[in-house]
Amino acid sequence: QKEVEQNSGPLSVPEGAIASLNCTYSDRGSQSFFWYRQYSGKSPELIMSIYSNGDKEDGRFTAQLNKASQYVSLLIRDSQPSDSATYLCAVSYTGGFKTIFGAGTRLFVKA
Amino acid sequence: EAGVAQSPRYKIIEKRQSVAFWCNPISGHATLYWYQQILGQGPKLLIQFQNNGVVDDSQLPKDRFSAERLKGVDSTLKIQPAKLEDSAVYLCASSLDFRGGSPFYNEQFFGPGTRLTVL
Repeated sequence: QKEVEQNSGPLSVPEGAIASLNCTYSDRGSQSFFWYRQYSGKSPELIMSIYSNGDKEDGRFTAQLNKASQYVSLLIRDSQPSDSATYLCAVSYTGGFKTIFGAGTRLFVKA
Repeated sequence: EAGVAQSPRYKIIEKRQSVAFWCNPISGHATLYWYQQILGQGPKLLIQFQNNGVVDDSQLPKDRFSAERLKGVDSTLKIQPAKLEDSAVYLCASSLDFRGGSPFYNEQFFGPGTRLTVL
């Protein structure tokens, strides 16, 4: 059974701090990794994708992938109250089949 | 570029009634997904289409759920008869082409969703 695990939170950080969100996955056949942001009552919005080991930066967001440890993380620098949302980790397997979502981590950024 | 369109946005029905949801993907996207998201959980894939063919429907409760994408563009998801536990948000997403050589082709973009309440 393929699984994607996330700490449900809530994770609370002060404005301007770095928020660190973590995700582990069970299947070593995983190839593509995605982070989605979901505001309450809204649909998921893709914010980062990563396919190779290492770091990928986009603005205030950095995704980190370690396939050996089956671990992917998202760092949000200079966190803003508008970053308060649920962050979903998603993993796709070989050939794009079976995208599995984690349950999400709720992030609160305190002004 | 227009995003994924879904309708209706909200639906309230009695148990044992039927309901249908419609989705129009981003233009040019060959792969279409239907997800069910229960409050507090991540989206769960119900069915994945590639053009008008089914790629994966292993988690679709086929005794009550059906879906089609006849012309390889828009899609409908039907529930008949509905149960209380079907209350959820039904999300449609699309991607360029999950068979593409790069994982970039599997980046999924979601519509606004349909919130279903079964009483």
